[in-house]
Amino acid sequence: ETGVTQTPRHLVMGMTNKKSLKCEQHLGHNAMYWYKQSAKKPLELMFVYNFKEQTENNSVPSRFSPECPNSSHLFLHLHTLQPEDSALYLCASSQDAVFSGTGRNTQYFGPGTRLTVL
Amino acid sequence: GENVEQHPSTLSVQEGDSAVIKCTYSDSASNYFPWYKQELGKGPQLIIDIRSNVGEKKDQRIAVTLNKTAKHFSLHITETQPEDSAVYFCAASNSGAQKLVFGQGTRLTINP
Repeated sequence: ETGVTQTPRHLVMGMTNKKSLKCEQHLGHNAMYWYKQSAKKPLELMFVYNFKEQTENNSVPSRFSPECPNSSHLFLHLHTLQPEDSALYLCASSQDAVFSGTGRNTQYFGPGTRLTVL
Repeated sequence: GENVEQHPSTLSVQEGDSAVIKCTYSDSASNYFPWYKQELGKGPQLIIDIRSNVGEKKDQRIAVTLNKTAKHFSLHITETQPEDSAVYFCAASNSGAQKLVFGQGTRLTINP
């Protein structure tokens, strides 16, 4: 166990549904991340949150809406998704967001949510 | 921006043999290079990393080498075991950045 949990582990949704993915880290970290993992682009960064503030949005479509109510929890709200959004969505956390050469930016990943959009 | 290329995409070796995975990067400012291992049904886990002030780092059966001039780095696994079978990702970043740029991944299979 890495200390990062994600729920649900599997999700099937229609294109008109609204659902949310949840991530929780038990490591006392300050930064959290959402990644998309698919066959075409194995590990694609979506969002970065540092001390609850979004610091990076990697040109993600607005049908993905992140929320970070505190440093331990991160959500990804999904609405009107497309079949090409089917992928494994991974959450990660690190002590710090900025790489400083101290090891405090090592990212710890959760097991992911396997999303299928019909 | 940074671009990381990883080769090969698949690698099959006999148990006990060595495996080598190579990555190249484009941004000469990159100075942090981690390697992650992803087993089936799990998220990636850091196995070793190297910073640009060193050329090689070892941890038991795994080692990473870095050639800053050529902008490439490699993962070496010796005396491979069945539990080494997984997908391996390299990544690169630089001080002050908030993100890692990952390679495409290598699926390593250890044959008994």
